[in-house]
Amino acid sequence: EPEVTQTPSHQVTQMGQEVILRCVPISNHLYFYWYRQILGQKVEFLVSFYNNEISEKSEIFDDQFSVERPDGSNFTLKIRSTKLEDSAMYFCASRSGVNEKLFFGSGTQLSVL
Amino acid sequence: GEDVEQSLFLSVREGDSSVINCTYTDSSSTYLYWYKQEPGAGLQLLTYIFSNMDMKQDQRLTVLLNKKDKHLSLRIADTQTGDSAIYFCAESSASGGSYIPTFGRGTSLIVHP
Repeated sequence: EPEVTQTPSHQVTQMGQEVILRCVPISNHLYFYWYRQILGQKVEFLVSFYNNEISEKSEIFDDQFSVERPDGSNFTLKIRSTKLEDSAMYFCASRSGVNEKLFFGSGTQLSVL
Repeated sequence: GEDVEQSLFLSVREGDSSVINCTYTDSSSTYLYWYKQEPGAGLQLLTYIFSNMDMKQDQRLTVLLNKKDKHLSLRIADTQTGDSAIYFCAESSASGGSYIPTFGRGTSLIVHP
C-alpha cells in the first residue's frame, strides 16, 4: 500500500532555531495536511494545502509556521523560531480528494530544548 | 468549535471484547472515524461510518453511532495482544467544504494475556 513518508523521525533543536519537517505525500494525492500532537493531548489540525496554496489553517498556525511544496513531491512544514511549546509529534497527511480516505505518515517527534 | 472526547485508557484480557467510546459535539458531523496508532507508526484508518448509519460491521470491528446522543463506539471482538495500540476517534463535516477531521486524545488499549 502506498505510504506517506516523513523525515526525520526525531528532531532535537534549540529554542529559537528554525526547523523544517519534511513529508513526501502519496504521489497522486492533491490535498495535504499537517497535524500535531503534544504529549497527552489531542491530535490538532494545523494547516491544509491544495493547489499550491493554504486552503485552511488553525489558530495554532501563526506567523512562525509556513508550508511549502517546493518540487512537486515534498511537502514541508517550517517553524521559524522554535519555542519550548512547539515540542510535539508532527503528522503529515494526504488524500486524493477532499472527502477521501486520509493517509498519515508515522510522524516527526520534535523536541525543543 | 468542534470537540471530540474519549477516555484515555482501556485494559482488557485477551479474548474478551473491547469497547472504546467517544462523544462529539458537532451536530453537522458527516463522517466519523476510528484510527489506530501502533508504536512508532502513523495513524491508520481502521473504519468509518456515515452519519446516516447507526451501525457498521467489518470482521472483528463493530462501530455503533447514536446520532441523537452524539456517541460513537468501537467494539473489537476477541481482542488480541496485537490490538494493543492507541485508538483515535475523529469526526469531519462539510464545513466550508473542507471535511478536515477533528480528533480526540486517543484511547490506549492494553491487552493482557
